[in-house]
Amino acid sequence: EVQLVESGGGLVQPGGSLRLSCAASGLTFSTYWMTWVRQAPEKGLEWVANINEEGSGKYYVDSVKGRFTISRDNAKNSLGLQMHSLRVEDTAVYYCRASTGDLDFWGQGTLVTVSS
Amino acid sequence: SYELTQPSAVSVSPGQTARITCSGDILTKKNTRWFQQKPGQAPVLVIYKDSERPSGIPERFSGSSSGTTVTLTISGAQVEDEADYYCYSAAGNNRVFGGGTKLTVL
Repeated sequence: EVQLVESGGGLVQPGGSLRLSCAASGLTFSTYWMTWVRQAPEKGLEWVANINEEGSGKYYVDSVKGRFTISRDNAKNSLGLQMHSLRVEDTAVYYCRASTGDLDFWGQGTLVTVSS
Repeated sequence: SYELTQPSAVSVSPGQTARITCSGDILTKKNTRWFQQKPGQAPVLVIYKDSERPSGIPERFSGSSSGTTVTLTISGAQVEDEADYYCYSAAGNNRVFGGGTKLTVL
């Protein structure tokens, strides 16, 4: 059974930093594109960033460029999202997603709240 | 920026056909996915490559495309299909979700 388990969410003040992690199991991690998707309270899904299988290609939505960094460790089957200069509008549930072809797996999400 | 436009809500009676559209200039390369999200749950893939159905997804779910519009069709919608639906596509290295459509079946 494929499992993606996010961790690292919590309450942080505006301007602060947070690092999210996603632990993957039950899949050949190194063969999947990995993505972070977020969902603000009562809002729709928003693509945040993704990273290719080898980790050589990293792409971001404009609103997080220069503030967020996506990374992966294929030896540890893990995905990361380092977030700096957090803003109130970054408040959301952050989902980890693994995809390849017709296979598409999501974690249950971790809540990030940016508030003073 | 890239945008995908969906109707905010669609409502059908059980057994009827529900159609949810997604429009955008980037929808020309047969790479659209549709996700279903029920309250409090993570999204689930229901269609990929515009019209392919993943294993385990009921046959009543289908997808089609024409020009810059893709459509998710649920033939004979069931009460359990009530959910939010999102289209998702790529434009170069960017990815984008549609705004989401709330499907009501009652």
